[in-house]
Amino acid sequence: DAGITQSPRHKVTETGTPVTLRCHQTENHRYMYWYRQDPGHGLRLIHYSYGVKDTDKGEVSDGYSVSRSKTEDFLLTLESATSSQTSVYFCAIKGRGQETQYFGPGTRLLVL
Amino acid sequence: GESVGLHLPTLSVQEGDNSIINCAYSNSASDYFIWYKQESGKGPQFIIDIRSNMDKRQGQRVTVLLNKTVKHLSLQIAATQPGDSAVYFCAEILYNQGGKLIFGQGTELSVKP
Repeated sequence: DAGITQSPRHKVTETGTPVTLRCHQTENHRYMYWYRQDPGHGLRLIHYSYGVKDTDKGEVSDGYSVSRSKTEDFLLTLESATSSQTSVYFCAIKGRGQETQYFGPGTRLLVL
Repeated sequence: GESVGLHLPTLSVQEGDNSIINCAYSNSASDYFIWYKQESGKGPQFIIDIRSNMDKRQGQRVTVLLNKTVKHLSLQIAATQPGDSAVYFCAEILYNQGGKLIFGQGTELSVKP
């Protein structure tokens, strides 16, 4: 257990509605990441954070925004959910000076 | 472009046998490699890592081999157990891209009792 929790673990929503996923860590790590995992695409980076209020885009950032107002929480927001955002979302953390990322349990999101 | 791929999408082994999962990578500048295990419904779990200046690293029942000449990475699991059944991903880190982690597609390991 890398001290990471994600909420909610499962969510069903409708197209056009806003959705926010939360990643919470207890390790006080500097780096946090959001990935999505889809069949045939593996894990793809959406956004990441290298400190409070410091974030940057990953390879599939369109349609997503993030915020990190405190070290322990990294929020992923879908401003207007689309069916193409149906996926499993994973949060990961990495300590400063470390290389390995440790993953949370995931959030399963279904957009109808 | 950069890619990390796996030779075989599925691997079936008998309990007690050794398993070898292979991974090819295309970026010779990769600095660090990680193997993850992902069980159904769970997040990827760190297994073992290796730096690019190493050829081999051993853990508990697992060994990772790195062949930079042919850009090949392998994960060996000794005495495979039913609990080893999962999807295994290799991933590479590129320091010149801010430590970006690039994942392969995964190999599904099935252990027959």
